[in-house]
Amino acid sequence: DAGVIQSPRHEVTEMGQEVTLRCKPISGHNSLFWYRQTMMRGLELLIYFNNNVPIDDSGMPEDRFSAKMPNASFSTLKIQPSEPRDSAVYFCASRDRGGDSNQPQHFGDGTRLSIL
Amino acid sequence: AQTVTQSQPEMSVQEAETVTLSCTYDTSESDYYLFWYKQPPSRQMILVIRQEAYKQQNATENRFSVNFQKAAKSFSLKISDSQLGDAAMYFCAYRGMNYGGSQGNLIFGKGTKLSVKP
Repeated sequence: DAGVIQSPRHEVTEMGQEVTLRCKPISGHNSLFWYRQTMMRGLELLIYFNNNVPIDDSGMPEDRFSAKMPNASFSTLKIQPSEPRDSAVYFCASRDRGGDSNQPQHFGDGTRLSIL
Repeated sequence: AQTVTQSQPEMSVQEAETVTLSCTYDTSESDYYLFWYKQPPSRQMILVIRQEAYKQQNATENRFSVNFQKAAKSFSLKISDSQLGDAAMYFCAYRGMNYGGSQGNLIFGKGTKLSVKP
């Protein structure tokens, strides 16, 4: 079975450029999460969708960050304009909220973002 | 707000030996879930084991087991017969029971880096 698919795996870009990270959740999963991982702050939730609707975006650091989920099989996280302090690994995860309530989140392989 | 604390930034174990990674958490909820995730150098986040707070029995998955002490809000991970492939960052995580609001997401500890010596 295909897991959570993220692209690109690595992204290197210059400060000020727009960055778009992509995520395809596991088919049938109805919750999607974006996390950011840094050495200093560890893993932090950025935003969380249920049935394509944003539920909690309190972790989005600034207005430069935006996330969309136009349909059940695709989500984007966009940073515009990007800054060096945005450099991190960004993970997407999905979960099936139905049935057994202890269903875990399944993570993608992450996107390593470097802003120069 | 819930918090998760892993007090051991790094741990080391000899191959074939047993190691225990510590995790404590703070919550006012009575029902919740706890997880251990493993992150090897490949960067994947791999679920190791999970525990429902309403279950008294400690979860086990092959060589991995937990010691869940609800009153003490402690959730340690024991790895038996350690193997070289167990070397990774290990993250403890908490999730509330309710589907709605922010309780559906995971709250992670800062992680423990485990080294396995041959």
